[in-house]
Amino acid sequence: AQSVTQLDSHVSVSEGTPVLLRCNYSSSYSPSLFWYVQHPNKGLQLLLKYTSAATLVKGINGFEAEFKKSETSFHLTKPSAHMSDAAEYFCVVSDWGATNKLIFGTGTLLAVQP
Amino acid sequence: EAQVTQNPRYLITVTGKKLTVTCSQNMNHEYMSWYRQDPGLGLRQIYYSMNVEVTDKGDVPEGYKVSRKEKRNFPLILESPSPNQTSLYFCASSLLPLRGPETQYFGPGTRLLVL
Repeated sequence: AQSVTQLDSHVSVSEGTPVLLRCNYSSSYSPSLFWYVQHPNKGLQLLLKYTSAATLVKGINGFEAEFKKSETSFHLTKPSAHMSDAAEYFCVVSDWGATNKLIFGTGTLLAVQP
Repeated sequence: EAQVTQNPRYLITVTGKKLTVTCSQNMNHEYMSWYRQDPGLGLRQIYYSMNVEVTDKGDVPEGYKVSRKEKRNFPLILESPSPNQTSLYFCASSLLPLRGPETQYFGPGTRLLVL
């Protein structure tokens, strides 16, 4: 069975400092991984996705993630946080072969301090 | 504009009173799905549909029904809502995942409170 674990439920950074949101995955085959963002009272927006092409994936708003098979990780990073990055972030693995179901992590709430 | 719409956005109801949450997409997507989001649990799939008249259960289907009579619409029906169905509900759609996962596009969410 596939699963994702987000290692931090809350992360707080200062504006202008780097962001690191950690995600480990478990999959019996090569996974397809996503990061989604949810701003307060808003829907879910796709930040980026990995589907076995380049291991370093660039997304929107300056975010990127690196797929590391040896560490079963897919951490999300951004060099410099902006106030508008404050949101909840979900690491997601896709079970596309069977149900196309997205399996969500429990989320990481990112706070950005001025 | 390509989008997934849900109605209503907010709903307060009482136990046992049937309700329907509508979902519509204008991207001609074959695949549609419903999720519920609860604190500390992330999102969990309720039902999904691979095409018109084809629906199947997700991880938490109890207490819910769906129908897919048209490609663009995928309503979620709660025949007899209970307080444990108080949640935030999201509808999503995508192209059919034939050679790999397709990006799923989400609606804005429907916040339901069952008293």
